[in-house]
Amino acid sequence: AQSVTQLDSQVPVFEEAPVELRCNYSSSVSVYLFWYVQYPNQGLQLLLKYLSGSTLVESINGFEAEFNKSQTSFHLRKPSVHISDTAEYFCAVSERASGTYKYIFGTGTRLKVLA
Amino acid sequence: DAGVTQSPTHLIKTRGQQVTLRCSPKSGHDTVSWYQQALGQGPQFIFQYYEEEERQRGNFPDRFSGHQFPNYSSELNVNALLLGDSALYLCASSQRRGANYGYTFGSGTRLTVV
Repeated sequence: AQSVTQLDSQVPVFEEAPVELRCNYSSSVSVYLFWYVQYPNQGLQLLLKYLSGSTLVESINGFEAEFNKSQTSFHLRKPSVHISDTAEYFCAVSERASGTYKYIFGTGTRLKVLA
Repeated sequence: DAGVTQSPTHLIKTRGQQVTLRCSPKSGHDTVSWYQQALGQGPQFIFQYYEEEERQRGNFPDRFSGHQFPNYSSELNVNALLLGDSALYLCASSQRRGANYGYTFGSGTRLTVV
């Protein structure tokens, strides 16, 4: 079975500073990776995904993540964070079975942007 | 276009009781998955329904059961509630065809067992 490790449970960072949220996954033949964001008292929203092709994927709000097969990582980065980026971020890997997919999530990283 | 709708939003139950949570998937989606998110944890996969059948199941006891209706909506039932069942229960929908493009999540049902 696949697994996801998010080593940082909390990351405090000042506004306009860069940030990296780390994600490592267990190796598999075919890997599909996702980042989700969860704002307080809300469900999860898909931020970006890697299915195939370019190893660098971007979201519409300035986040990017790079798939690194040799290091089995999919770290999330943003060059300049805003207060509104304060949220919990979850890395996920998909696992195929019975003709469909389920998603396995990491334990999450709480990003707190400080003024 | 409505996204995933879950009801109720909050629920308080007593240990030993039974509870039913409901989910309406996003329009055009036919697959529903349920997750349990305990406080401070990532979502844990409970089970997934497609064509009114349970297709996959996570490591949850038989007290957790579900159903999917012909209109693709779904219910999660939990019997003999334990204090440890207190969590945010998330419903996620997707299209089986192209299901690997990611889920759409609802806002969840916050269940508190006292």
